[in-house]
Amino acid sequence: DQQVKQNSPSLSVQEGRISILNCDYTNSMFDYFLWYKKYPAEGPTFLISISSIKDKNEDGRFTVFLNKSAKHLSLHIVPSQPGDSAVYFCAALKAAGNKLTFGGGTRVLVKP
Amino acid sequence: SQTIHQWPATLVQPVGSPLSLECTVEGTSNPNLYWYRQAAGRGLQLLFYSVGIGQISSEVPQNLSASRPQDRQFILSSKKLLLSDSGFYLCAWSGGHLWGYTFGSGTRLTVV
Repeated sequence: DQQVKQNSPSLSVQEGRISILNCDYTNSMFDYFLWYKKYPAEGPTFLISISSIKDKNEDGRFTVFLNKSAKHLSLHIVPSQPGDSAVYFCAALKAAGNKLTFGGGTRVLVKP
Repeated sequence: SQTIHQWPATLVQPVGSPLSLECTVEGTSNPNLYWYRQAAGRGLQLLFYSVGIGQISSEVPQNLSASRPQDRQFILSSKKLLLSDSGFYLCAWSGGHLWGYTFGSGTRLTVV
């Protein structure tokens, strides 16, 4: 049972434009949602998070939006830069369990 | 500051050989520790997690086992590797960013 899904395996965007990554979840009991960025042959690094009681969190070029009724969240990167080319994982957490459940990842390619 | 070390970075092992991957955390005590695997073209799958010494929870039935002989040491093992054990193995501990994990740099295991 895949509780967190990223339906787009890849995304290609021009430098300077917006990248929008989507993530859907099925478990309404998740308390936090996180985005991780991963370069090849490296561990994922934390990017941004949002509490389930919020609908938006912004950090520099990165903004995460949460739509609880739709069980959907998205990550916006504006403007996109070549260094943003990586795999992005959406993850969800139940505070009581402290186990992150990851989506399958979206590979982003930012073209110069 | 807290750091996480994982080794080796790459490993090529024949089918049927044993496996031992080690992960250690510094700068924190009693962390929650996790082993994840990323198979080729797949997302991050939680294999094991531990909330304390000697306490191991397995998420999926498989050919692998985990042990936590010391508070900040987490070991992933196998007695006989299968081809399907190939993948990118990541150790993580919980802490740092809000409710998130901090990952090690990963081990690329190729079973031949």
